[in-house]
Amino acid sequence: ETGVTQSPTHLIKTRGQQVTLRCSSQSGHNTVSWYQQALGQGPQFIFQYYREEENGRGNFPPRFSGLQFPNYSSELNVNALELDDSALYLCASSLKGQGQETQYFGPGTRLLVL
Amino acid sequence: AQSVSQHNHHVILSEAASLELGCNYSYGGTVNLFWYVQYPGQHLQLLLKYFSGDPLVKGIKGFEAEFIKSKFSFNLRKPSVQWSDTAEYFCAVNWKAAGNKLTFGGGTRVLVKP
Repeated sequence: ETGVTQSPTHLIKTRGQQVTLRCSSQSGHNTVSWYQQALGQGPQFIFQYYREEENGRGNFPPRFSGLQFPNYSSELNVNALELDDSALYLCASSLKGQGQETQYFGPGTRLLVL
Repeated sequence: AQSVSQHNHHVILSEAASLELGCNYSYGGTVNLFWYVQYPGQHLQLLLKYFSGDPLVKGIKGFEAEFIKSKFSFNLRKPSVQWSDTAEYFCAVNWKAAGNKLTFGGGTRVLVKP
């Protein structure tokens, strides 16, 4: 167990709806990264948050947005859901500033868009 | 765009056999390298990592990996596998010039027959 928790574990939504996924980082970590893992593929980087600001973004449209809170927990918001958004969403926490940053992953939220 | 490739999508072997999983990445400067494992029904776990120094790194559960800079490779090995090594294995690369995001390979599913 890494200490990274995510909620909910599973979620079913319909096209066009909005969803919010939550992540609590491991104690002592100050950075949260979000990844999308489609079935049969490796995780794809969505974005990273550090000091409550976005600190790098992958190739995802603006309808994917996030927040980081003062306690370093984070939310991933997806608007106008599409069928292709069905995936496992992974949160990873790390400690920035050491120079050897290692990301530790939570169990993920499995999202199904119908 | 920077990429990570894992040569084998599926590997089937018997207990006590040796395992080697290939991972190659595209050129992009200094890298940090990782292998993660996803056991059935569990979250992504860190197996081992390389930042600098000795190119042969040892991880948990008897795994090791060798960084060969000239070949842009970071292959994972285990001399004698057990049934409990059945899992999906992911190679991940962090190009320092690109910030702290991880780029994952597509994964290799390993099935160890008892």
